Amino acid sequence: ETGVTQSPTHLIKTRGQQVTLRCSSQSGHNTVSWYQQALGQGPQFIFQYYREEENGRGNFPPRFSGLQFPNYSSELNVNALELDDSALYLCASSLAGSGGLDTQYFGPGTRLTVL
Amino acid sequence: KQEVTQIPAALSVPEGENLVLNCSFTDSAIYNLQWFRQDPGKGLTSLLLIQSSQREQTSGRLNASLDKSSGRSTLYIAASQPGDSATYLCAVPMEYGNKLVFGAGTILRVKS
Repeated sequence: ETGVTQSPTHLIKTRGQQVTLRCSSQSGHNTVSWYQQALGQGPQFIFQYYREEENGRGNFPPRFSGLQFPNYSSELNVNALELDDSALYLCASSLAGSGGLDTQYFGPGTRLTVL
Repeated sequence: KQEVTQIPAALSVPEGENLVLNCSFTDSAIYNLQWFRQDPGKGLTSLLLIQSSQREQTSGRLNASLDKSSGRSTLYIAASQPGDSATYLCAVPMEYGNKLVFGAGTILRVKS
């Protein structure tokens, strides 16, 4: 059983650029959630995808968008990067509909630095 | 709106001590509560998940309790070791579907 993987590990961009982060969910999981974790804070929910459809969104602007593919892997896209977008971006996968026993499994994260 | 608070923000203890980390949440209508561990710059590792119908869960030296009515959970770590040094986060779902609301975490340092 493979765990959740994310790429790239680290990324440096400049203000105004666009970035795509990738996540492969754990085998058998159909739900992917994305979180942003600023330094010294807990993760903040960005959005969730379930079977290729967005299934809830946190308080993030539309320049944060995502996709989920038929194999349940996912992308997070951020347009018009701002300095405050610098953070650790975490992807988590789970199996929806497992009767509340839907433990989330997190990937190692992508560290994004915006200069 | 669900809010999660963790106390203390940081804790430093000598090796071998038993310790308690606290988590409180404002909306008691939760399905479950999850405790995570995070090493510096790394992802989150799930430690324990307590269903709303349960009062506690145990895994090795870790014991987590849940009191929904008072909006509180505690994580008890027995006989702490330097390898336990990490940030501990608790989280509850916003709604069914496991969109988690996290506390800011407790940074634990266990000194040898």
